[in-house]
Amino acid sequence: DVKVTQSSRYLVKRTGEKVFLECVQDMDHENMFWYRQDPGLGLRLIYFSYDVKMKEKGDIPEGYSVSREKKERFSLILESASTNQTSMYLCASSEWASEKLFFGSGTQLSVL
Amino acid sequence: AQTVTQSQPEMSVQEAETVTLSCTYDTSENNYYLFWYKQPPSRQMILVIRQEAYKQQNATENRFSVNFQKAAKSFSLKISDSQLGDTAMYFCAFILRDDKIIFGKGTRLHILP
Repeated sequence: DVKVTQSSRYLVKRTGEKVFLECVQDMDHENMFWYRQDPGLGLRLIYFSYDVKMKEKGDIPEGYSVSREKKERFSLILESASTNQTSMYLCASSEWASEKLFFGSGTQLSVL
Repeated sequence: AQTVTQSQPEMSVQEAETVTLSCTYDTSENNYYLFWYKQPPSRQMILVIRQEAYKQQNATENRFSVNFQKAAKSFSLKISDSQLGDTAMYFCAFILRDDKIIFGKGTRLHILP
């Protein structure tokens, strides 16, 4: 059974902290994605990666960076967390050239 | 730019009724895929149904079916014999080949007992 695992379901951080959100998939997928989900705004793409050490900016990359050192792991980094980054963060993966996404269960991040 | 519009932020229907969620999209391309995803309170995103734009026949998955009108760029989801477990956020999504998926803002559906 396919699985995308996000390390934390809930996370509370302080303004200015460096935050790491981890995502691991066990399907040997090439593509991995980070979305944030906000009420009334749907899902918006932050960053995505088509291969190890490759990354592409999505629609709202400002204030975020990513790391993909291994194929199965895609990390989202908030260098200096701000209150407007309080949101639900969803990780997803897919096979190369496949349109079907597999999602993790999400991390609800609160920045105080 | 590609966009996806869901005009119904929230809907409620009685159990066993049929409900239709609307979705329109905008693209100048001819080959693409459309999806409906469901996100129940557990937050797990689940693919409900998908449609290839080159196929004229509407996709069907058990109680879920779509009305795909390519010329009108419309992709509505029909849920027949709705069940309490259908309560969720529903996202319409769109992808061009080898591109990223674009999601609508979602429709919150409540199935009432």
